[in-house]
Amino acid sequence: DTAVSQTPKYLVTQMGNDKSIKCEQNLGHDTMYWYKQDSKKFLKIMFSYNNKELIINETVPNRFSPKSPDKAHLNLHINSLELGDSAVYFCASSQDHVREAFFGQGTRLTVV
Amino acid sequence: RKEVEQDPGPFNVPEGATVAFNCTYSNSASQSFFWYRQDCRKEPKLLMSVYSSGNEDGRFTAQLNRASQYISLLIRDSKLSDSATYLCAVIGLLSGGSNYKLTFGKGTLLTVNP
Repeated sequence: DTAVSQTPKYLVTQMGNDKSIKCEQNLGHDTMYWYKQDSKKFLKIMFSYNNKELIINETVPNRFSPKSPDKAHLNLHINSLELGDSAVYFCASSQDHVREAFFGQGTRLTVV
Repeated sequence: RKEVEQDPGPFNVPEGATVAFNCTYSNSASQSFFWYRQDCRKEPKLLMSVYSSGNEDGRFTAQLNRASQYISLLIRDSKLSDSATYLCAVIGLLSGGSNYKLTFGKGTLLTVNP
């Protein structure tokens, strides 16, 4: 039933590890996003995909690599995790890139 | 100038009060405008879109002023359940002319007190 679902919900890992977050939407939307919300609650765009094509890469370190195997999925892989990567990561989707976005429940990443 | 700027808040108001949030945006080629609500430790959820003519949904009224590049949200007769962070969001045309970006303000925390 969940429109935008991401897993895992919580992720605690050590510095230097590599981890992935998965996102799926069942809304038939063309556009998907990754946002990062830091401890100050600022919601900052990281990546935007439209029809599986990367549209926005907002000066994100290349340790972060998004992968969109199809329109319904946008996964985020993070290499060599750092303490500063600790945040809540939200996946979102929209019908197209000028419509409202719907968010997943978020993945709370803690790097220790 | 930041892409999207919001009143920093926080706002603490009594039940029944009217509260207004304002947000300005820098990209004059912005296309779509929204207000989202985010509860503590939850995802942002769409509250309402903002249309050029202004729009109302119950106790909530949103307005857009393209000339001055700001949007506003008015909450009348505020309820305890309105306590949340309110984020404005703007979709702006990227340089290059064919792609758009959804940018959020930093959010304003509202606490409605009994």
